[in-house]
Amino acid sequence: DGGITQSPKYLFRKEGQNVTLSCEQNLNHDAMYWYRQDPGQGLRLIYYSQIVNDFQKGDIAEGYSVSREKKESFPLTVTSAQKNPTAFYLCASSTGLAGGRETQYFGPGTRLLVL
Amino acid sequence: QKEVEQDPGPLSVPEGAIVSLNCTYSNSAFQYFMWYRQYSRKGPELLMYTYSSGNKEDGRFTAQVDKSSKYISLFIRDSQPSDSATYLCAMREGTGGFKTIFGAGTRLFVKA
Repeated sequence: DGGITQSPKYLFRKEGQNVTLSCEQNLNHDAMYWYRQDPGQGLRLIYYSQIVNDFQKGDIAEGYSVSREKKESFPLTVTSAQKNPTAFYLCASSTGLAGGRETQYFGPGTRLLVL
Repeated sequence: QKEVEQDPGPLSVPEGAIVSLNCTYSNSAFQYFMWYRQYSRKGPELLMYTYSSGNKEDGRFTAQVDKSSKYISLFIRDSQPSDSATYLCAMREGTGGFKTIFGAGTRLFVKA
C-alpha cells in the first residue's frame, strides 16, 4: 500500500528536550511538508522540501529543524527553542510540480505534548 | 485579514440534510481549490479538487468555485453520521505558486 506514515502517534517532551518526529512516504513524491495544527487555526507550514538535500523555511520555522537525506524521509526536530510545542503535527507529500496540479496527501499525524 | 476565512462552526444537522460549507478568500491569484475531510485525531484526506471556477460533483459531494466573489462551497447531499468530521478548505496560486493555504476548518456533526 502506498502512503505516508508518521511516528510516534503520541510524543511527550520534557522541558529543554529536543524531540524528533518521523515521516516516511512510499509514494515516490518529490515534495514533502511539515504542518502544525492548533485548535481553531488552519494548518501552518513549518518547513518544506521540494527535492532531496534541499529544504526551505515555512511560516513558523523558528524552534524547528528538518533534514532531507532521502527522498522517502523528512524528519522534523522540535528543539528546546520552541516554547509552545504542544500541537498536532502533520506531514504531507506531493508530486511537487510547482504551480501545477499537484495535491498534498497527509499522514496520520503526531500529537506532541509537553510534560 | 486572513487570506482564507472559514466559519469554524460547529454545524449540527439531522441525518439526510443537505450541508453547505463555505470559504471566502482574498487572493485573486488562487487557481486551485481543495476540500479536505479530517476525522478527529487523524490526518486530512483529500475530498475534492477543482481548478478555476465552476462545479465539480463526486457522489454526494459537490464543490463550487465562484472566483468573481472569491467564494467556494462544498455541498453534501443526504448527509450521514459518518460525514461528521472537520472540513478544511485549501487553495493555491496557479503559476509558480506551490504554497497551499488552508482554512481553519468547519466542524460538522450529523445526528442520526
